[in-house]
Amino acid sequence: AQKVTQAQTEISVVEKEDVTLDCVYETRDTTYYLFWYKQPPSGELVFLIRRNSFDEQNEISGRYSWNFQKSTSSFNFTITASQVVDSAVYFCALSERGPIIQGAQKLVFGQGTRLTINP
Amino acid sequence: DTGVSQDPRHKITKRGQNVTFRCDPISEHNRLYWYRQTLGQGPEFLTYFQNEAQLEKSRLLSDRFSAERPKGSFSTLEIQRTEQGDSAMYLCASSPKGQGANTEAFFGQGTRLTVV
Repeated sequence: AQKVTQAQTEISVVEKEDVTLDCVYETRDTTYYLFWYKQPPSGELVFLIRRNSFDEQNEISGRYSWNFQKSTSSFNFTITASQVVDSAVYFCALSERGPIIQGAQKLVFGQGTRLTINP
Repeated sequence: DTGVSQDPRHKITKRGQNVTFRCDPISEHNRLYWYRQTLGQGPEFLTYFQNEAQLEKSRLLSDRFSAERPKGSFSTLEIQRTEQGDSAMYLCASSPKGQGANTEAFFGQGTRLTVV
């Protein structure tokens, strides 16, 4: 079965600190996709990044960076110089291919990490 | 394009009543998903449509739950004889047709159901 574990339930840091959110996954698929979503208090899940299993290159987007390591089944997310607006719940997710139609994006989510950035 | 729209945003109902939620996906998206999120947990997959065809249902979707997407556009999720355990946020997402899972799903703001 596919599973995503976010061991950090809550993290609280002071503004401008760097913070890393951990994500560990389990899957038997050789082809899969990993995602990070942000859920602000409004409730809408906001897409941050998608990474396929064949691309282990790390990615940086502004203050955000992602470290994908297949050897340890981890896909960690780092926010550099955190800001109060980064406060939200962050979810790591794994795509599970639909059994009937290839490409169906049934996501398996972790439990989420609530990140609080204090001024 | 206004994104994925869900209605209502909040619903309070008495136990035993039926409720229906609506989701309007992004217009060109042919795939539509329903998820349920309970407090402090990540979303859990409920069901998936490609156009009007319901292609997969989770075992979480008991016989009290039914979802439709009659014309391949908007979708409805109905819960009959609601129970307190049905209290949750119900999220809808849509994605365009694509190869593999290389297209991200866009989520609506959800319908928060409270069963009293």
